[in-house]
Amino acid sequence: EAGVAQSPRYKIIEKRQSVAFWCNPISGHATLYWYQQILGQGPKLLIQFQNNGVVDDSQLPKDRFSAERLKGVDSTLKIQPAKLEDSAVYLCASSLFQGAGNNSPLHFGNGTRLTVT
Amino acid sequence: TQLLEQSPQFLSIQEGENLTVYCNSSSVFSSLQWYRQEPGEGPVLLVTVVTGGEVKKLKRLTFQFGDARKDSSLHITAAQPGDTGLYLCAGDNNAGNMLTFGGGTRLMVKP
Repeated sequence: EAGVAQSPRYKIIEKRQSVAFWCNPISGHATLYWYQQILGQGPKLLIQFQNNGVVDDSQLPKDRFSAERLKGVDSTLKIQPAKLEDSAVYLCASSLFQGAGNNSPLHFGNGTRLTVT
Repeated sequence: TQLLEQSPQFLSIQEGENLTVYCNSSSVFSSLQWYRQEPGEGPVLLVTVVTGGEVKKLKRLTFQFGDARKDSSLHITAAQPGDTGLYLCAGDNNAGNMLTFGGGTRLMVKP
């Protein structure tokens, strides 16, 4: 099966500019996640979708970050305006359904590496 | 926020040595997962442990879930250069699929 697709792979922008990342999950996976992974740290959940609805966005900095999954398939994550501390790898993951136990593991994309200068 | 602390943060060993990586929390998890991440790639699931005291083996890797389901360990026997990578533990509190990741252990195995 095709894995989680993300684009672009790399992005360099100046602070205060805007940027968007795209994710296409594995076909049939209802749950989609966006994680932020700062260099040297583990991934931090930004937002979780179940189909086209938001399950959890408690750690999303909503003053500058937004995400949507309008048709319940692919998703975009936007940052506007970007800050230096947003430099990180943005990982998208999907799972068959909610619940990260044995029956619904997360499958990650290769991420988008964002550098804000 | 439930915290998962991993130790050590960095580990550099010679090929053939054994090692253990720890993942600790003050919170109880319904399940705990271990991932391995290579540079430029996303994390890849190695194993999920669900039952307190559970031990799972994956070739030279042995995973254990603590009896109280608050901690876990990963033991690698006779490490190989191909084991090099970032090892991440992640706990599921079974509340809307909140998967919390630890900070990771970066392992380097030298030939």
